[in-house]
Amino acid sequence: AQSVSQHNHHVILSEAASLELGCNYSYGGTVNLFWYVQYPGQHLQLLLKYFSGDPLVKGIKGFEAEFIKSKFSFNLRKPSVQWSDTAEYFCAVNPGYSTLTFGKGTMLLVSP
Amino acid sequence: DGGITQSPKYLFRKEGQNVTLSCEQNLNHDAMYWYRQDPGQGLRLIYYSQIVNDFQKGDIAEGYSVSREKKESFPLTVTSAQKNPTAFYLCASSTGGRASGELFFGEGSRLTVL
Repeated sequence: AQSVSQHNHHVILSEAASLELGCNYSYGGTVNLFWYVQYPGQHLQLLLKYFSGDPLVKGIKGFEAEFIKSKFSFNLRKPSVQWSDTAEYFCAVNPGYSTLTFGKGTMLLVSP
Repeated sequence: DGGITQSPKYLFRKEGQNVTLSCEQNLNHDAMYWYRQDPGQGLRLIYYSQIVNDFQKGDIAEGYSVSREKKESFPLTVTSAQKNPTAFYLCASSTGGRASGELFFGEGSRLTVL
């Protein structure tokens, strides 16, 4: 079975700082990769996804993620965070058409 | 607006009582899912259904039951056999197939067992 590891449980940044959230997965075959975000008081929503092709994918609100196959990683990045990026971020994977496996999440707090 | 509606948003129950959480979607999605979210644990899959009248256990199905009699509805029953039922429950749907990882979530139901 696949598993997902998110490196940091809590991250605190000041506005305009750069963000990188780590995500590693364990699975030997082809996977689809996702980042979901849960803003305070809102429902969980898809931030970006990778199925195939260009390993650098762009999502909503200026976020991007890079798939590095050799490292089994799919790290999330943003060059300059805003206070409104305060949220919990979840990395998730699914091989083929199967169900998603989520990481434990990273809570990001951006101070103004 | 299309989306997923979960009810109730908050629910309190006594130990030993079964409770049923409602999930309805008007997205015309084939697949529906129930996840449990606990602090620091991420989301764990309870049950999922890829088509009407069929469903499969997820990673933590013990103490839960579901039904899928209609495409739009996927209720979850938390039974008295669930040892630690207090949690935040999330329902989701997808078109399934290759898009089975692209989930649309409801706003969740928070269950507290006293």
